[in-house]
Amino acid sequence: AQSVAQPEDQVNVAEGNPLTVKCTYSVSGNPYLFWYVQYPNRGLQFLLKYITGDNLVKGSYGFEAEFNKSQTSFHLKKPSALVSDSALYFCAVRDGDTGGFKTIFGAGTRLFVKA
Amino acid sequence: EAQVTQNPRYLITVTGKKLTVTCSQNMNHEYMSWYRQDPGLGLRQIYYSMNVEVTDKGDVPEGYKVSRKEKRNFPLILESPSPNQTSLYFCASIDRWGSDTQYFGPGTRLTVL
Repeated sequence: AQSVAQPEDQVNVAEGNPLTVKCTYSVSGNPYLFWYVQYPNRGLQFLLKYITGDNLVKGSYGFEAEFNKSQTSFHLKKPSALVSDSALYFCAVRDGDTGGFKTIFGAGTRLFVKA
Repeated sequence: EAQVTQNPRYLITVTGKKLTVTCSQNMNHEYMSWYRQDPGLGLRQIYYSMNVEVTDKGDVPEGYKVSRKEKRNFPLILESPSPNQTSLYFCASIDRWGSDTQYFGPGTRLTVL
């Protein structure tokens, strides 16, 4: 069975400091991994994904994430946080070996960036 | 503009009164999906559709129905809503053969009294 864990309900960071939002996953087949961001009263927006290839993937707004197969992790990072990065972040996984589209999302991590 | 639209955005109803939440996309995507978002639980997939007349259950399908008669539309039907279906609902359209990412609608906040 697929599962996603985001161990931190909330992450607090000062503006200008690096940020990390953690995600670990479990999937029986080939993992397709995604990060989405949700701003208040809005739907989710795609940030980045890992399907295959380079383990370090770069996405929108300066975010990046590193796929670590041995640790089954896909942590989201940014070198220098902005106040405008404050939002709710979701990690998601899909089993790339199946023909369907069953997608599991984590519970979400709320990021607060303080000026 | 490429978008996913949902209607209504807000709905308050009573137990047992059938309702439909509409979802429409203008990107010609084959794949579409419905999720509910609850605090502490993240998004949970209700149903998804891989093409017209092809639907499959997600993780929490009980109490919901869907239909996919046209590619652009994927309505969510609650035949007999109950208070535990009070939630924030999102429709998504998936660019399966391109970027493989999901485009989400603005959400529908449903309250069942």
